[in-house]
Amino acid sequence: NAGVTQTPKFQVLKTGQSMTLQCAQDMNHNSMYWYRQDPGMGLRLIYYSASEGTTDKGEVPNGYNVSRLNKREFSLRLESAAPSQTSVYFCASSVEGFNTEAFFGQGTRLTVV
Amino acid sequence: AQTVTQSQPEMSVQEAETVTLSCTYDTSESDYYLFWYKQPPSRQMILVIRQEAYKQQNATENRFSVNFQKAAKSFSLKISDSQLGDAAMYFCAYRSGNNNDMRFGAGTRLTVKP
Repeated sequence: NAGVTQTPKFQVLKTGQSMTLQCAQDMNHNSMYWYRQDPGMGLRLIYYSASEGTTDKGEVPNGYNVSRLNKREFSLRLESAAPSQTSVYFCASSVEGFNTEAFFGQGTRLTVV
Repeated sequence: AQTVTQSQPEMSVQEAETVTLSCTYDTSESDYYLFWYKQPPSRQMILVIRQEAYKQQNATENRFSVNFQKAAKSFSLKISDSQLGDAAMYFCAYRSGNNNDMRFGAGTRLTVKP
């Protein structure tokens, strides 16, 4: 079972460059999330999507855009990368039903120089 | 917006002993769900235990149990008979019952001493 797959696993960007982090899940989940993880700050929600065609801002959406391409895929785009966006990014998904756990991808380590 | 606070950045425990990790949250909702996740060095997030806010009974999963105090908005994790494999970052998480918003605390790094 693939679960939640994120690509790439590592990336180095120069300030001002753009890139898209890809996420796909094969569990037929409705909800998908993007988090960033920074030392001492835990996981902070960037955006989430409750279902195909809907997206909502989380705690730290500035500098990011998302696309829920279909039920399986939820991408995160950095239009103009900044050093403050250096972080580990996690994609997650969950089924409908709020007592259900979120399943996470392996994370993408992004460095902006 | 809901917030989750883990006040212990680091904790240590002797192997076979018991340790409790603290978590508090702030919410005005009555319907919500709470989780503890473990993140070992592999970076993979692993669910440890979950608790529905409407349930008074504390959840247990083998050596892991919670102390859920709804009025105090407290959700602590107790690990009994600690094992070396329990060493990891532990995150407390809150999931709204009204939407799919899911928030995490800053984490507690647990060290298990042999």
